[in-house]
Amino acid sequence: NAGVTQTPKFQVLKTGQSMTLQCAQDMNHEYMSWYRQDPGMGLRLIHYSVGAGITDQGEVPNGYNVSRSTTEDFPLRLLSAAPSQTSVYFCASSYDGTSSYEQYFGPGTRLTVT
Amino acid sequence: AQKVTQAQTEISVVEKEDVTLDCVYETRDTTYYLFWYKQPPSGELVFLIRRNSFDEQNEISGRYSWNFQKSTSSFNFTITASQVVDSAVYFCALSEAERQLTFGSGTQLTVLP
Repeated sequence: NAGVTQTPKFQVLKTGQSMTLQCAQDMNHEYMSWYRQDPGMGLRLIHYSVGAGITDQGEVPNGYNVSRSTTEDFPLRLLSAAPSQTSVYFCASSYDGTSSYEQYFGPGTRLTVT
Repeated sequence: AQKVTQAQTEISVVEKEDVTLDCVYETRDTTYYLFWYKQPPSGELVFLIRRNSFDEQNEISGRYSWNFQKSTSSFNFTITASQVVDSAVYFCALSEAERQLTFGSGTQLTVLP
């Protein structure tokens, strides 16, 4: 199993550009989530999904969209990038449809918005 | 709303010392789950332990031990005889209502040789 994969590993965007961060898992996990990690602030939840076709907002959803058309994929879209979105983004999945169990994290995407 | 506080931003110890990382949480639920994750310098997040709110038994795994006390809303993590490889950022996290995981801000542990 590849586990949780994220692409790209690094990305530089200009203000106003849009892009999609890809996340995929091959463990048939129902729960998937996106976090951003900023210095001194830990990880903050952006969006999450408890199964295909179901998504919900986390703590910091503004400026991001998600969809979950399959169990395996959970892409994160930045609609119009802003410097405040410079961060490291982690995707995670968990084997049942809740956040109550161990989450498996991807390797992260380091995004810089200039 | 749930909240996790890791008051120790940075800790530095010399190898073989014991070190305790503090975690205090707030929740209104009676059913919740607590976690510790490790983030080494390479950047990945590594799961260490999960505890549910009904199990206050302390856990020991090798040099690692966890002390869960509901009376003080704390879930502290102790590393015995620390090693340089323990240097990492350690995150405490809380899952409430089974929907969202809230992380503390992390403690940067540096173990000096």
